[in-house]
Amino acid sequence: DAKTTQPNSMESNEEEPVHLPCNHSTISGTDYIHWYRQLPSQGPEYVIHGLTSNVNNRMASLAIAEDRKSSTLILHRATLRDAAVYYCILSGNNAGNMLTFGGGTRLMVKP
Amino acid sequence: EAGVAQSPRYKIIEKRQSVAFWCNPISGHATLYWYQQILGQGPKLLIQFQNNGVVDDSQLPKDRFSAERLKGVDSTLKIQPAKLEDSAVYLCASSLSGAYNQPQHFGDGTRLSIL
Repeated sequence: DAKTTQPNSMESNEEEPVHLPCNHSTISGTDYIHWYRQLPSQGPEYVIHGLTSNVNNRMASLAIAEDRKSSTLILHRATLRDAAVYYCILSGNNAGNMLTFGGGTRLMVKP
Repeated sequence: EAGVAQSPRYKIIEKRQSVAFWCNPISGHATLYWYQQILGQGPKLLIQFQNNGVVDDSQLPKDRFSAERLKGVDSTLKIQPAKLEDSAVYLCASSLSGAYNQPQHFGDGTRLSIL
């Protein structure tokens, strides 16, 4: 199964941009990159996903490296409500249809 | 759009007792998933349904866990008998289809404590 590697934790200041990295060196050409986040006492929440091109939505941006071996989730202006565990997950022919959650990155936002 | 509904929100039972969790997915979503999340870990998939058929139950401990989705809408997950190690949050999720690029929408889960 294709796996991802993320830092255990990161810190950010409120209203500053946050770049959350993810390495996925064994990704195959048909694997999608998904990001979910989980706030305390809630279920995971879909953030964004992409295949090859960079993606933007109202929550975040996803920057995908040209070789697709890494990606970065970008929160443009962190707020206290963005404090959560962020999961980078692959799904596809190689990675499997199921979402396999790792430990994720715990993002702490300082006021 | 209403989200994924789960009940109960919390459940406390003694070991060897049985327990059931209920999930109502987003209307029109064909695919339904049950996950187990142990404290401090990411969710782990237990079973995936496509309509009322099982797609993947390879991680479901079938000696004590069972799940059904009889009419292709609501689903129940049962544990019988419960063990101490089953203490976890049980999450239900649904997606429009099982396609790789379809996001999954999660409920807030049922927190199970085994005494």
